[in-house]
Amino acid sequence: QVQLVESGGGVVQPGKSVRLSCLASGFRFSNLGMHWVRQAPGKGLEWVAVVWFDGTQNSYADSARGRFTISRDNAKNTLYLDILRLRLDDTARYFCASGGSTSGRKAFDIWGRGTMLIVSS
Amino acid sequence: EVVLTQSPGTLSLSPGERATLSCRASQAISRTFLGWYQQKPGHPPKLLIYEASTRATGVPDRFSGSGSGTDFTLTINSLDPDDFAVYFCQLYGSSPTFGPGTTVTVK
Repeated sequence: QVQLVESGGGVVQPGKSVRLSCLASGFRFSNLGMHWVRQAPGKGLEWVAVVWFDGTQNSYADSARGRFTISRDNAKNTLYLDILRLRLDDTARYFCASGGSTSGRKAFDIWGRGTMLIVSS
Repeated sequence: EVVLTQSPGTLSLSPGERATLSCRASQAISRTFLGWYQQKPGHPPKLLIYEASTRATGVPDRFSGSGSGTDFTLTINSLDPDDFAVYFCQLYGSSPTFGPGTTVTVK
């Protein structure tokens, strides 16, 4: 069935780096723009970044520009999010989501369950 | 940058009542890029409405969306016990953003 499964979260120290992954199955991953969205504990949803279907274009929220890198490997049906120089306020559940079109500019119709990242010393 | 605000923050209603949730944009937006999501504790958001008024696949017809310009509304007719959750509006497109959410709780 249509599925997105995130991984890579856990407890990481401030200043370190982390790579989050999102494995897609059950749909044509390589045709769709993909997003990362995060949600701090007890808070709302914050869009982080998008990458186009072929990986050639991406875009970031202002809060993510500079330390976050979104990428994808269509041969592996996998989306990535690299975060450098982790800060305490990066603590959140990170969801990947499909953007419904090649550029990801439609409603987010497929979501994973998320991976929890806790930044703590 | 478009900012979305939602009201009320919390809505306390009984099963069977109608819920009316508001989403206001800081500037006029195309209804083509306005969506609504439902989120329950421990679960990811679920797309309910896209293009302001089109129900996503499998969404019951008690959910309806309307609006244009800066003001949009999600209406839930005759609340089902399964509908008590948090609802977010979203501007998608080239620079997505979410509203802060409205929590619908049992009165």
